[in-house]
Amino acid sequence: AQRVTQPEKLLSVFKGAPVELKCNYSYSGSPELFWYVQYSRQRLQLLLRHISRESIKGFTADLNKGETSFHLKKPFAQEEDSAMYYCALRSTDKLIFGTGTRLQVFP
Amino acid sequence: GAVVSQHPSRVICKSGTSVKIECRSLDFQATTMFWYRQFPKQSLMLMATSNEGSKATYEQGVEKDKFLINHASLTLSTLTVTSAHPEDSSFYICSARAWHTDRGWDGYTFGSGTRLTVV
Repeated sequence: AQRVTQPEKLLSVFKGAPVELKCNYSYSGSPELFWYVQYSRQRLQLLLRHISRESIKGFTADLNKGETSFHLKKPFAQEEDSAMYYCALRSTDKLIFGTGTRLQVFP
Repeated sequence: GAVVSQHPSRVICKSGTSVKIECRSLDFQATTMFWYRQFPKQSLMLMATSNEGSKATYEQGVEKDKFLINHASLTLSTLTVTSAHPEDSSFYICSARAWHTDRGWDGYTFGSGTRLTVV
């Protein structure tokens, strides 16, 4: 079955600390994975897609097919990173979302 | 670019009435629209996929007669919750698949969501 798992509902860190938001997936085939972010009272926005291997706002994510993971990382968290983060998997034409992780960055 | 406008942002309706939610693609043609439902503190659950000019494809467990989806044009898709009941109260989000020809890839852009409360 196709599934995206984000084991942490809440992750709290202090400003300047490293951040890793975990995402594991289950998919038969070559996965296409995304990270979306939802800031307070705003719509979902694309943060990263694994195909483009880009770094946005200091965040990176590497696809590890052996561990079926696509963890999101940032070396130094900022207060403005506080938001809800969703990992998503594209299956045929649609996105399957994980349950999301709320990141709280304290000053 | 690739903006989806969703209206209304909030709606309160009486039990038994119908509510229509609109999603418009403002600067691109949305051949495919997706409708999600999000319960408080939970993830987005895909309800249905609609392609312009054809019938929507509903996910398992979603009542197609209750959640009517129309995608009659390349810029407009609507979700009508018919005979709404309190258990239909939720946050509904639309998403469109957008082709970014200048960037050479396609992605998904989301509406701002509609908070439906059925009293």
